[in-house]
Amino acid sequence: DAGITQSPRHKVTETGTPVTLRCHQTENHRYMYWYRQDPGHGLRLIHYSYGVKDTDKGEVSDGYSVSRSKTEDFLLTLESATSSQTSVYFCAISEVLGNQHFGDGTRLSIL
Amino acid sequence: RKEVEQDPGPFNVPEGATVAFNCTYSNSASQSFFWYRQDCRKEPKLLMSVYSSGNEDGRFTAQLNRASQYISLLIRDSKLSDSATYLCVVNKGRYRDDKIIFGKGTRLHILP
Repeated sequence: DAGITQSPRHKVTETGTPVTLRCHQTENHRYMYWYRQDPGHGLRLIHYSYGVKDTDKGEVSDGYSVSRSKTEDFLLTLESATSSQTSVYFCAISEVLGNQHFGDGTRLSIL
Repeated sequence: RKEVEQDPGPFNVPEGATVAFNCTYSNSASQSFFWYRQDCRKEPKLLMSVYSSGNEDGRFTAQLNRASQYISLLIRDSKLSDSATYLCVVNKGRYRDDKIIFGKGTRLHILP
């Protein structure tokens, strides 16, 4: 399996608090992605990165920011978490379009 | 038309049967197509790419119909371990580097 680690794996927090999710890869892949997956919506792209300090928005980027200061790390931040951001978050990496390797996911609950 | 559309199922199929499901896409300029598999409470994993000429990997066959803008996945001699959600994935635009879009998935249950 591709070397990709998400942390934390589970988190429960309160509305209004900041939350940062980390994605770490050991594959030196160029592209990194953050998705959220919700019942009835499937996987939706939040942000992605095509290189160090190069990021772009996905279809559901409002309320989220990202940073990639090193090839191996891609951080997703919820500046002020809301209950609508309760979800399962997946990080993915790829070197070739379409061939994405996913992390194990982070279950985030915002109360 | 939604960008990528799949029948959500569930498809309940007896073990050993053949099952097929389709996925339609709206952008005629899309160039790259894939099938992913996702087990319950697990991450998605690439099952196979879909080539214009169709391709086969063991019991799995994927086909592309550009004229009607759909891709299909056929599973022969289904196993209990094939129970999963199958996600159709299409690139968003004309270029190979365009973002990819995931369908919502089709749930498959193989019955003993």
